[in-house]
Amino acid sequence: DAKTTQPTSMDCAEGRAANLPCNHSTISGNEYVYWYRQIHSQGPQYIIHGLKNNETNEMASLIITEDRKSSTLILPHATLRDTAVYYCIVYFKAAGNKLTFGGGTRVLVKP
Amino acid sequence: NAGVTQTPKFRILKIGQSMTLQCTQDMNHNYMYWYRQDPGMGLKLIYYSVGAGITDKGEVPNGYNVSRSTTEDFPLRLELAAPSQTSVYFCASGAQYNEQFFGPGTRLTVL
Repeated sequence: DAKTTQPTSMDCAEGRAANLPCNHSTISGNEYVYWYRQIHSQGPQYIIHGLKNNETNEMASLIITEDRKSSTLILPHATLRDTAVYYCIVYFKAAGNKLTFGGGTRVLVKP
Repeated sequence: NAGVTQTPKFRILKIGQSMTLQCTQDMNHNYMYWYRQDPGMGLKLIYYSVGAGITDKGEVPNGYNVSRSTTEDFPLRLELAAPSQTSVYFCASGAQYNEQFFGPGTRLTVL
């Protein structure tokens, strides 16, 4: 079973920041938070991951609360090409690198 | 680098037929995975491999077989195709403790 809860869908205006929440209240101390996205009909694409510190890369920022029970993926300037399903995954690195995908959040970026 | 390649892109099978879905990666990754994705759902892990000669079952292995004779290749075999196996199949690879890279998918219909 997926260990995360995400909103089913959300809309975002082009050029604005998109903030995608994820609840992972049962996360354990050695589990990471990973984000992937899947643009229509394509294979999923890795975005970012973190353990407890906030992380930023060229695609997005990841904000993890101090108690690690929730996190937010931030797309700083959403474009139409960011329309996709975004998956938040709690991941235990030693468990064979296996990912468990939930339903994700369907993000629609509107002009 | 081509990354993860999958063949064929599309296939229609009749009930009871067999086929092999091919997956090749050129990133020298030890870990490889097969997922299936039903319409509107997240990905489910079928089989995975942590290195040549080593495979293990995922969440939904019934009706499938795999082999891993080389680092590069991880074919998925369907022996007696059933309509319930109509899905999109994604292959992925990754280095230990790192993100997974996904192929473009094979769209399979069983009639």
